Amino acid sequence: QLQLQESGPGLVKPSETLSLTCTVSGGSISSSSYYWGWIRQPPGKGLEWIGSIYYSGSTYYNPSLKSRVTISVDTSKNQFSLKLSSVTAADTAVYYCARHSDDILTGCWFDPWGQGTLVTVSS
Amino acid sequence: DIQMTQSPSSLSASVGDRVTITCRASQSISSYLNWYQQKPGKAPKLLIYAASSLQSGVPSRFSGSGSGTDFTLTISSLQPEDFATYYCQQSYSTRVYTFGQGTKLEIK
Repeated sequence: QLQLQESGPGLVKPSETLSLTCTVSGGSISSSSYYWGWIRQPPGKGLEWIGSIYYSGSTYYNPSLKSRVTISVDTSKNQFSLKLSSVTAADTAVYYCARHSDDILTGCWFDPWGQGTLVTVSS
Repeated sequence: DIQMTQSPSSLSASVGDRVTITCRASQSISSYLNWYQQKPGKAPKLLIYAASSLQSGVPSRFSGSGSGTDFTLTISSLQPEDFATYYCQQSYSTRVYTFGQGTKLEIK
């Protein structure tokens, strides 16, 4: 079955760039039916979609984060990555990667999700 | 942006109760509404997609309804494993996805 796993530093200094990778196993990231997304959750708070990518490299981002976010894909490694620049304490969160649909009739839903990784922004 | 508002924010109920959680969109989103369950320390799990379609493997005691701006998630008979936080998510906006603030379901 498809599994996703986030990896990357758990601690990032303010003003630096947060970098995470999501490794997909049990299926191909090059599937034409799906997109791949990042979602975050500050401690004790709700969920915020960050952005998504198609295996071709086509991306779209949350407008509130767009100026700081870059998502890329490496199909040879079955991975996609997140970079968030100029981080502050407000970017401290559990970061999840997930697969999602993009169906004109039924919309977009996220499934499955990775287990999540906590990234703390602190000096 | 489309805002999603869930009510109540928290809810206490007993095993066997019928529970309903509401999600309201700031504008019509047709049926582009999904529901997730999240347990502490775990990733969210998809329960319902497209307002009323049950995700494979999800127990039939979960159901979703609604269209336009008002949606409900119903658990017909609460089980101990259902105590969790529930989120709605809209995908009507062209490639801008937003979640509700969550509803925490606790044991009475």
